Amino acid sequence: GAGVSQSPSNKVTEKGKDVELRCDPISGHTALYWYRQSLGQGLEFLIYFQGNSAPDKSGLPSDRFSAERTGGSVSTLTIQRTQQEDSAVYLCASSLGGWNTEAFFGQGTRLTVV
Amino acid sequence: AQSVAQPEDQVNVAEGNPLTVKCTYSVSGNPYLFWYVQYPNRGLQFLLKYITGDNLVKGSYGFEAEFNKSQTSFHLKKPSALVSDSALYFCAVRDVLLGDKLIFGTGTRLQVFP
Repeated sequence: GAGVSQSPSNKVTEKGKDVELRCDPISGHTALYWYRQSLGQGLEFLIYFQGNSAPDKSGLPSDRFSAERTGGSVSTLTIQRTQQEDSAVYLCASSLGGWNTEAFFGQGTRLTVV
Repeated sequence: AQSVAQPEDQVNVAEGNPLTVKCTYSVSGNPYLFWYVQYPNRGLQFLLKYITGDNLVKGSYGFEAEFNKSQTSFHLKKPSALVSDSALYFCAVRDVLLGDKLIFGTGTRLQVFP
């Protein structure tokens, strides 16, 4: 596709339920990032995938959070047993990889835990 | 240690006046620096980047940024602000000694008044 696509755009879930957020990166981009943006706040790094290397999971806030990237393309961020503090906009980005390349962001998934 | 800092939560400027949004960084190796803009209810858009070479980098929408190694700064500037420039601005850095992930500042809200 022309840009990074995220689905769903909005998700309302009950506390304790599991949710899956999907990201389709730009074709050919080897690097993929997940960030979280709480209301009015900055971007919190969650996880980074680069090619076939082991992902950098250093930003995942708890073991309830996990992410996969299948076939080097689509990525899924899973949050288990959601809590109200998980409510935020989850942003995905992709890039060509390499230190000098900029990342392109999707529109985000707004997650609301009630 | 924080890799990038945006010391101002908000910057107010009158239309037609020059604007500056500040960013300082702290990395161990050579920095790769980026500016992004987030308009209301929109995703993040890439503005410009500093990789190497000229310290003054020009980007989209008439914005530019000046890399200052001695002051470890990468301030965003525009000679004449427009009301439509009102948005949330994020500085980001890639510290190659910490891997390829992009670390973002907390953001600065720019308000341009008519």
